[in-house]
Amino acid sequence: GESVGLHLPTLSVQEGDNSIINCAYSNSASDYFIWYKQESGKGPQFIIDIRSNMDKRQGQRVTVLLNKTVKHLSLQIAATQPGDSAVYFCAENADQAGTALIFGKGTTLSVSS
Amino acid sequence: DSGVTQTPKHLITATGQRVTLRCSPRSGDLSVYWYQQSLDQGLQFLIQYYNGEERAKGNILERFSAQQFPDLHSELNLSSLELGDSALYFCASSPGTGATEAFFGQGTRLTVV
Repeated sequence: GESVGLHLPTLSVQEGDNSIINCAYSNSASDYFIWYKQESGKGPQFIIDIRSNMDKRQGQRVTVLLNKTVKHLSLQIAATQPGDSAVYFCAENADQAGTALIFGKGTTLSVSS
Repeated sequence: DSGVTQTPKHLITATGQRVTLRCSPRSGDLSVYWYQQSLDQGLQFLIQYYNGEERAKGNILERFSAQQFPDLHSELNLSSLELGDSALYFCASSPGTGATEAFFGQGTRLTVV
């Protein structure tokens, strides 16, 4: 079964706000985590990743935080834009081989202007 | 464009039939992954191949099978199709076997009627 889940299925924010999307995982053996963005009718696109030897990683307008103590992952999007509206998935390498990405159900982010 | 090509984009078939979905990975990528995405569901990991060999297996039904050919393209075969098999099927590829970013294709939308 899936070991990755998200706290909220939907999140609505105003343009310019900061968004925080959360994810809980249950497999303590996972050592790689990744966030994907999926727009309607498209395949998932890479946003940012983090390995378990790190607590935080920053990209352009995005930050991923990893709390291994409580098995929690979050994606922060700064100055959210309408183009950020999409479904966001977290994933971990929770399969037995540790190579395949196991996804949660996703959070739909809606940005209104 | 991720560099991963999936064909066909859309497929409509009847229950009990068999179909083959095709995936060409990014140039140089040796790993291919198959995922199923049903309506309102996350991405379910089905199977991973690395350089022609099965590497990891997820929630793949016995009616489904896959293979990776010497030129590294992959095919997912779905047989004895049921209405519940209607879904988006995504292929992804990555360079090696280790947990890393996977690049997704645009998917094949399968409708079983």
